[in-house]
Amino acid sequence: GNSVTQMEGPVTLSEEAFLTINCTYTATGYPSLFWYVQYPGEGLQLLLKATKADDKGSNKGFEATYRKETTSFHLEKGSVQVSDSAVYFCALSVPHNFNKFYFGSGTKLNVKP
Amino acid sequence: ETGVTQTPRHLVMGMTNKKSLKCEQHLGHNAMYWYKQSAKKPLELMFVYNFKEQTENNSVPSRFSPECPNSSHLFLHLHTLQPEDSALYLCASSQPGVGGELFFGEGSRLTVL
Repeated sequence: GNSVTQMEGPVTLSEEAFLTINCTYTATGYPSLFWYVQYPGEGLQLLLKATKADDKGSNKGFEATYRKETTSFHLEKGSVQVSDSAVYFCALSVPHNFNKFYFGSGTKLNVKP
Repeated sequence: ETGVTQTPRHLVMGMTNKKSLKCEQHLGHNAMYWYKQSAKKPLELMFVYNFKEQTENNSVPSRFSPECPNSSHLFLHLHTLQPEDSALYLCASSQPGVGGELFFGEGSRLTVL
């Protein structure tokens, strides 16, 4: 079946620290991979995505690389800011059913000044 | 107009009330979704509509009744809800295809007394 597993939170970091949030997946076929971010009181927003192996998605200093050999799509940022405090969701969609998205459980990030 | 608009943003209702949540998308997408987000639970897919036809009903109780009159509008009719139905209800839209991402509204926060 299709599923996404991401690291449990919360993750607490000091400002300017390096961030990694792990995400691994199982999928039938060749999935597209996504990271979404949810700020307090808001809906989810697309942060970045990748559609084929070795693609790197990037946005706002965040990066994630589609690793087919390890079925992973880890989110990284070199220097986090307080404003990055949010919940981050890893997700995938599969070619035979583009209408179905599989989400991880979310990882809450707290960044302290 | 923002991409996906949900109204109302907040709703308080008694267990015997009937109310509706509304979603409108201005992105020209063909698919629309309802998700439920409860505290400390993964995001739950409720319904999917593709070209106005319901393609997914994720074993949702009949007290939730969706309606999709056209590709731009989606409703969730609520009646005789339970306190455990209190949650953030998120509407989303997408254009199905490789890498086609979900665009979310800001959500309707529902409290059932």
